[in-house]
Amino acid sequence: ETGVTQTPRHLVMGMTNKKSLKCEQHLGHNAMYWYKQSAKKPLELMFVYSLEERVENNSVPSRFSPECPNSSHLFLHLHTLQPEDSALYLCASSQDERGGHGNQPQHFGDGTRLSCL
Amino acid sequence: DAKTTQPPSMDCAEGRAANLPCNHSTISGNEYVYWYRQIHSQGPQYIIHGLKNNETNEMASLIITEDRKSSTLILPHATLRDTAVYYCIVRVARRQLTFGSGTQLTVLP
Repeated sequence: ETGVTQTPRHLVMGMTNKKSLKCEQHLGHNAMYWYKQSAKKPLELMFVYSLEERVENNSVPSRFSPECPNSSHLFLHLHTLQPEDSALYLCASSQDERGGHGNQPQHFGDGTRLSCL
Repeated sequence: DAKTTQPPSMDCAEGRAANLPCNHSTISGNEYVYWYRQIHSQGPQYIIHGLKNNETNEMASLIITEDRKSSTLILPHATLRDTAVYYCIVRVARRQLTFGSGTQLTVLP
């Protein structure tokens, strides 16, 4: 399934670089998510956008900055990253209900593999 | 918060049914059980979810016990491409999926 597309698939960054990860969903969903998956750790939720409004932020460092211009596109802007930020960054989307109490599943892209030097 | 327990690994012969168990003894009444799988270098793939009734789709069947404290994901005819880590998830927070360690399923030729 390629309903959620992430680019680039791989990215190498130096600590002084600024880059952006892009996610696009073709499923008609109204909520999008950024997750971080580090080696040997469970997925960590970073950001949620539901109905184009950011509704949750789980204490992610300010060097990660999300942007959601519409319900189909999601960006993660990166700057001055640290080596510990090396991970697989996953985007997901779902059809959300008002108040976030729905049970619809999240659908994931294949991620961007980020290496921070 | 509901927590899930899965065996770390399982093997299954190609063409046979793969039965993956999951315990979620602290699940609350309105929490759904979700199953995802992740093949190396890919994002998690949604498989199936359910509340209390058994569910079936083109990929798998989900059997939930009557007390809802455990469930089993069934892949009816496993293929080599089903080799992956399978995650059983009970959503513990609004909008958030919490993945545990999962079960590494290896389908053997």
